[in-house]
Parts: sequence; C-alpha cells; structure tokens
Amino acid sequence: SQQGEEDPQALSIQEGENATMNCSYKTSINNLQWYRQNSGRGLVHLILIRSNEREKHSGRLRVTLDTSKKSSSLLITASRAADTASYFCAPFGNEKLTFGTGTRLTIIP
Amino acid sequence: DAGVIQSPRHEVTEMGQEVTLRCKPISGHDYLFWYRQTMMRGLELLIYFNNNVPIDDSGMPEDRFSAKMPNASFSTLKIQPSEPRDSAVYFCATKPGRYDEQYFGPGTRLTVT
Repeated sequence: SQQGEEDPQALSIQEGENATMNCSYKTSINNLQWYRQNSGRGLVHLILIRSNEREKHSGRLRVTLDTSKKSSSLLITASRAADTASYFCAPFGNEKLTFGTGTRLTIIP
Repeated sequence: DAGVIQSPRHEVTEMGQEVTLRCKPISGHDYLFWYRQTMMRGLELLIYFNNNVPIDDSGMPEDRFSAKMPNASFSTLKIQPSEPRDSAVYFCATKPGRYDEQYFGPGTRLTVT
C-alpha cells in the first residue's frame, strides 16, 4: 500500500479566498481520493478521481491529477468558515487505503 | 441509509479491562476497515475484511487486539487487556467495492486510565 503526502501541513486563509492543497505519492494508482475531517468527526469522502482522468469538479471543489508527476491538487474556491477542517489525500492502487497526516485548513472569518 | 454505525461513542475504562468496539456497516458494502487515530501516529489502518473474511491484519499492534466479522452486518474490535497507550479514536469504515470510496463511522473515543 502507499499513502499520500499532503502539502502544506497547515494553511490559513481569509474567508472567500481560494485554498489549494497538494498531494504527492510514489507508486502507480487506480484512483486517488480526497477526504475531509472536521475536528472530532469521522472522515468524509469528497471526491474520487480515476487514473485516466485529469480534472474533476464537485461544487466548489476542483481536483487535478497528474499521473506522470504522481501528484494531485485540491482547490476549494470561495472558502467558507465551514471549510475549516483537515484534508487528506489517499492514493489507491489495488489494496488498502492508507492516509497521511493531512493539511490542516483554517478559514479566518 | 443510516451510514456506518459505531458503538459506543465514548468508552472510559481502566487498564487491564477488556474493551469491545462495535461496527455496523452500510448494507451491501463488501469491505470493512478498522482504523485508529491519535495525535502522535495519525490515522492507522488496523485490519480490513472483504466479504467477512479478514484480508490484512498487519496493522494490528499486538496480540491484545483482535477483530471479527461474524456476518455482513456486524464487526467487533476487541482489546484485552487494555493499556493507557490504546487511548485513541477508533474508526470503522466500509465501502461497496474494491475501487470505491470509503464511508467512515463517527468513531469511538477510547480512554484507558
């Protein structure tokens, strides 16, 4: 199995601004998944992008995937206070899903 | 669907006691995972099942930990005897098929004193 490495570890932005988080991984994947975790809660799946996709949108979320660079990015547009959370990427090859340490995003009202 | 259900939500026990955590997966999900989360170690995969069969338990810390899935509707994670270093939030997650996203339960916060 493999886990993604999120960058930056922490990010603070003003409400209304866009937030970008990056993920790098090491081996080949079938898909890459992004999750959010609010403090004290379980992880919530945000978006899944398959290895043959380059970009995917869901509401205010935009995910890109570059398999040649083994990297992905998550963009949250027009951030809101409720977006304050930790964000995890999880590259999935063929077995189990493991998680890195995440990006801690803080939205300042 | 009610989502993944875990019980209890909070558990406080004394060192040496047996602890049993429970998980009810989403109906129709073939995969079930147990994770442990701490500040120091992050989110660790302990064990996962496919169609009620344990597939990979390499993340189980030691023999004090055991997990079972007697049927498609129920799984348990047992710690016997418990130790203070077992204090953590334990999550159960399930997914329909191999390449699908996972659905997490709310977690059980375990405190061992």
